[in-house]
Amino acid sequence: DAGVTQSPTHLIKTRGQQVTLRCSPKSGHDTVSWYQQALGQGPQFIFQYYEEEERQRGNFPDRFSGHQFPNYSSELNVNALLLGDSALYLCASSSGLAGADTQYFGPGTRLTVL
Amino acid sequence: GENVEQHPSTLSVQEGDSAVIKCTYSDSASNYFPWYKQELGKRPQLIIDIRSNVGEKKDQRIAVTLNKTAKHFSLHITETQPEDSAVYFCAPRGLTGGGNKLTFGTGTQLKVEL
Repeated sequence: DAGVTQSPTHLIKTRGQQVTLRCSPKSGHDTVSWYQQALGQGPQFIFQYYEEEERQRGNFPDRFSGHQFPNYSSELNVNALLLGDSALYLCASSSGLAGADTQYFGPGTRLTVL
Repeated sequence: GENVEQHPSTLSVQEGDSAVIKCTYSDSASNYFPWYKQELGKRPQLIIDIRSNVGEKKDQRIAVTLNKTAKHFSLHITETQPEDSAVYFCAPRGLTGGGNKLTFGTGTQLKVEL
């Protein structure tokens, strides 16, 4: 039973560039959430996708966008990268929106913006 | 969810002692209360969770207690071991806004000394 996977593991970009991060949820899960974790801080919620739609969004600018595919995998896109976007980007998968269901995290993508 | 505070921010104990970390939250709609353990450079891993219809849950050396009236829940680790050293995050989840995002606390760095 595959867990949550993310790619790439590490990424280095320069200011102003665009980046796409990818996530495959745990088998049987249909909901993907994305979090940003800056060094020394807790993860911050970016947004959540269910049934290929963004269902909830945290306090992040429109430069952050996403997509969910019919197979439940998801992408996180960040445009016009800033130095402050350097962080560990985590995705978490779960089953359904309602109810109290557990979220399982992937290993993350470490993004460095120079 | 929403405003989430953890105390203490750092905790140092001797091997074999107990450790307690407290999490307070402001969103009364929160209905799911997990604790995650994150080792350096790794993903957050769920160690225990509790739902709003129970007050306490135990899993071997780890327990979580919930006080919904006072809006706080606590992580208890007994007979601590060096491998318990990590950062611990509470992440209460509310259903406000149509989704089920986790709102992470600021984290507690636990160090278990020999």
